Amino acid sequence: NAGVTQTPKFQVLKTGQSMTLQCAQDMNHEYMSWYRQDPGMGLRLIHYSVGAGITDQGEVPNGYNVSRSTTEDFPLRLLSAAPSQTSVYFCASSLAGAINEQFFGPGTRLTVL
Amino acid sequence: AQSVAQPEDQVNVAEGNPLTVKCTYSVSGNPYLFWYVQYPNRGLQFLLKYITGDNLVKGSYGFEAEFNKSQTSFHLKKPSALVSDSALYFCAVREAANDYKLSFGAGTTVTVRA
Repeated sequence: NAGVTQTPKFQVLKTGQSMTLQCAQDMNHEYMSWYRQDPGMGLRLIHYSVGAGITDQGEVPNGYNVSRSTTEDFPLRLLSAAPSQTSVYFCASSLAGAINEQFFGPGTRLTVL
Repeated sequence: AQSVAQPEDQVNVAEGNPLTVKCTYSVSGNPYLFWYVQYPNRGLQFLLKYITGDNLVKGSYGFEAEFNKSQTSFHLKKPSALVSDSALYFCAVREAANDYKLSFGAGTTVTVRA
């Protein structure tokens, strides 16, 4: 199993550009989520999905969109990039249920100029 | 609302000495608690979790954690630290009734010197 994969690993955008961060998992996990990691702030939940066709907002959803058309894929779209979105983005997946731990991808480091 | 506090930004220990990384939490119901480790330029890796039962939980790489309900704490411990334990450690909490949203602490950087 590849686990959770993310592409790209690095990305530089100009303010106002849009892009999609890709996330895929091959573990047949129901739950998937996107976090951003900023120094001294831990990980903050952006959006999450409890299954195909179902998404919901997390702690910091503004400026981001998601969709979940398949169990495997959970892309994160930046609609109009801003310097405040410079961060490291992690995708995670888990089996359904609050007792289950999450599996994380390797991350995407995004810089918005 | 659920939250996690990791009161120490950094912990420095000598190899072979005990390692403790502190975590306190706040939830309105029963907590599910997790510890993750992040090595440089990598994603987070799961170490251990407390769901219910025995307050002492054993996990990967020789780590353990003790759940203390009265002190709302879930400190991570290792009896004898290794240089390879140097990493960023995160505590996370999920309120049992919440079902999905996981709240992370700010993280503690552990440095183990040879």
